[in-house]
Amino acid sequence: GNSVTQMEGPVTLSEEAFLTINCTYTATGYPSLFWYVQYPGEGLQLLLKATKADDKGSNKGFEATYRKETTSFHLEKGSVQVSDSAVYFCAYNTNAGKSTFGDGTTLTVKP
Amino acid sequence: GAGVSQSPSNKVTEKGKDVELRCDPISGHTALYWYRQRLGQGLEFLIYFQGNSAPDKSGLPSDRFSAERTGESVSTLTIQRTQQEDSAVYLCASSQGQGGGYEQYFGPGTRLTVT
Repeated sequence: GNSVTQMEGPVTLSEEAFLTINCTYTATGYPSLFWYVQYPGEGLQLLLKATKADDKGSNKGFEATYRKETTSFHLEKGSVQVSDSAVYFCAYNTNAGKSTFGDGTTLTVKP
Repeated sequence: GAGVSQSPSNKVTEKGKDVELRCDPISGHTALYWYRQRLGQGLEFLIYFQGNSAPDKSGLPSDRFSAERTGESVSTLTIQRTQQEDSAVYLCASSQGQGGGYEQYFGPGTRLTVT
């Protein structure tokens, strides 16, 4: 069935470290892929998205590339900040409308 | 403009009672989703409304759960005869269109505690 698998957390990094959070998906067709972020005490919000193969989504220094051949959408940032501490969710939409979310990865960045 | 709002923000209820959760989507958004998020876990899809089409109820965990939406406005999620395992944060989201590249805008959630 359809699913999203994310790297298990929690992930703890020092400020300015490189971040990768892996995400792979199982879906038929050509879904759109998303990363959502939930900062402490706030609601979920879109971080970035990609709607077709080889597209790169980017925002706030984060990037992710839609890799159809490996069914992946890994999230990366070259230099994390304390303010990036949050829970990150990988997700996809099918054209039929249904969304599937991963279990979330908690990132803590220490000064 | 106003975002997605949900009420109540917190609800404590006794086992066996019914509860009703409300979601006000962003005006003009045709799609509306309900999710359940248990502590430390991901989002569990419950139900999806798109315009006047029949809702996708495939995620509802039992017949104690039901949801309604009036046109493209308010939605209510009802849980009958609540059980302790229903304790979770219930999230509502809306989007401008159906699936595809449309992002979802989330409300703050309703934290339900069943004692």
